[in-house]
Amino acid sequence: AQSVAQPEDQVNVAEGNPLTVKCTYSVSGNPYLFWYVQYPNRGLQFLLKYITGDNLVKGSYGFEAEFNKSQTSFHLKKPSALVSDSALYFCAVRDFDAGKSTFGDGTTLTVKP
Amino acid sequence: DTAVSQTPKYLVTQMGNDKSIKCEQNLGHDTMYWYKQDSKKFLKIMFSYNNKELIINETVPNRFSPKSPDKAHLNLHINSLELGDSAVYFCASSQPQGSTEAFFGQGTRLTVV
Repeated sequence: AQSVAQPEDQVNVAEGNPLTVKCTYSVSGNPYLFWYVQYPNRGLQFLLKYITGDNLVKGSYGFEAEFNKSQTSFHLKKPSALVSDSALYFCAVRDFDAGKSTFGDGTTLTVKP
Repeated sequence: DTAVSQTPKYLVTQMGNDKSIKCEQNLGHDTMYWYKQDSKKFLKIMFSYNNKELIINETVPNRFSPKSPDKAHLNLHINSLELGDSAVYFCASSQPQGSTEAFFGQGTRLTVV
C-alpha cells in the first residue's frame, strides 16, 4: 500500500525567506510524486511532479522540489517566499499502473509580510 | 475555458434528501475521479472511472452512486443524505498513466442540515 506523510500541519515563514514544506512517502515500486496547491475556496492546482531523472524538479510560481530516494522524501521548496504563496499544500503519490493517487493530509503555509 | 467544471458550487439540503453533483471535463482525459474533502481539509478519493468504467471504489457507502454517461462526464448521486456527508466534493480528471497530474474542479460545498 502506498502512503504519504506531511509531518507539519502548519509552516510559518517571513516574506523573502526560504520555505520548505516536507513530504515523505512509501510505495512498493518507483514513485510518481506530485505537489498541489489549494487556495481558499478553490480546487487543487498542480505545481510540479517527479517522474524520473533529475532529482531537483522545478515547477510553477518559482517552486521546486527535491526527490531523495534514500530518505523517501519529496520536500517542496522556494528560495524566497511571497505573501501570495500562503495556501494549503498537498503532496501526493500515484501508482505506476495509474491507480489512485494518495494525498497527504496537507500543510498550511502562511507567509507573513 | 474551464477545464473541469462542477455544478452546483454550493448545495444546502435537508437530511434524507437525494441530490446530484455534475462534473464535466473538456481536456480529453480518459480518467475521472471524485474526492471528498472534510472539515479538516483531508482529501480522500471516493471513486475513479476510466473510460466510463469504475476502477476505484474506496469503501464509500452505497448511498453514493457515481454515473459516467461518457468519458467527459462523471456525476455523483447521493441518496438519503446524512449530516456527516457535509463536505466539499471535488471532481478531477487525468490521463490514465500514473505519471500524469490531475486537474481539479472548483469543488461543490455540500451542507446537510
